[in-house]
Amino acid sequence: EVQLVESGGGLVKPGGSLRLSCAASGFTFSSYSMNWVRQAPGKGLEWVSSISSSSSYIYYADSVKGRFTISRDNAKNSLYLQMNSLRAEDTAVYYCAREVGYGPLDYWGQGTLVTVSS
Amino acid sequence: SSELTQDPAVSVALGQTVRITCQGDSLRSYYASWYQQKPGQAPVLVIYGKNNRPSGIPDRFSGSSSGNTASLTITGAQAEDEADYYCNSRDSSGNIWVFGTGTKVTVL
Repeated sequence: EVQLVESGGGLVKPGGSLRLSCAASGFTFSSYSMNWVRQAPGKGLEWVSSISSSSSYIYYADSVKGRFTISRDNAKNSLYLQMNSLRAEDTAVYYCAREVGYGPLDYWGQGTLVTVSS
Repeated sequence: SSELTQDPAVSVALGQTVRITCQGDSLRSYYASWYQQKPGQAPVLVIYGKNNRPSGIPDRFSGSSSGNTASLTITGAQAEDEADYYCNSRDSSGNIWVFGTGTKVTVL
């Protein structure tokens, strides 16, 4: 059974940093591109970042470029999102999601809440 | 970057058919995927590609596309289909994912 479990969310002050993790199981993690998607309270889904299976290709939404860094450790079946210079507008539930080939995001974790507030 | 536009809300009578649309220039080049999200839950993929359903998704869900518009149709809507639905696709560069604005479906 495919499982994605996010962790690392919490309350952080504006300008602070946080590192999210996503632990994957039930599939060959190293064969799939992975994504982070966020959802602000009461708002829609916003794609944040993606990383290819071997970390060769990395992309970011303009809203986080230069502040967030996506990475992965295939030996540990884990995906990460380092978030720096956090702003109030980064407050959201952050989901990790598996990408099928060049296609859809077929499995999602349950999300971890990040709150940026003083 | 591309945008994907959806109607904010639609309603459908129990057992009837509802179509949700998603418009955007990138849909001329890429198929849309559709996700169902119920309150407090993670999104679930319901349609992808030309018209493919993941395992476990009822066949009352179907997808289609024409020009710059993708559609999700629920034929014979059930109470449990009440949810937010989001389309998503690549942007024109092919490197970035874009989500639609979301449609709240209410089953009456």
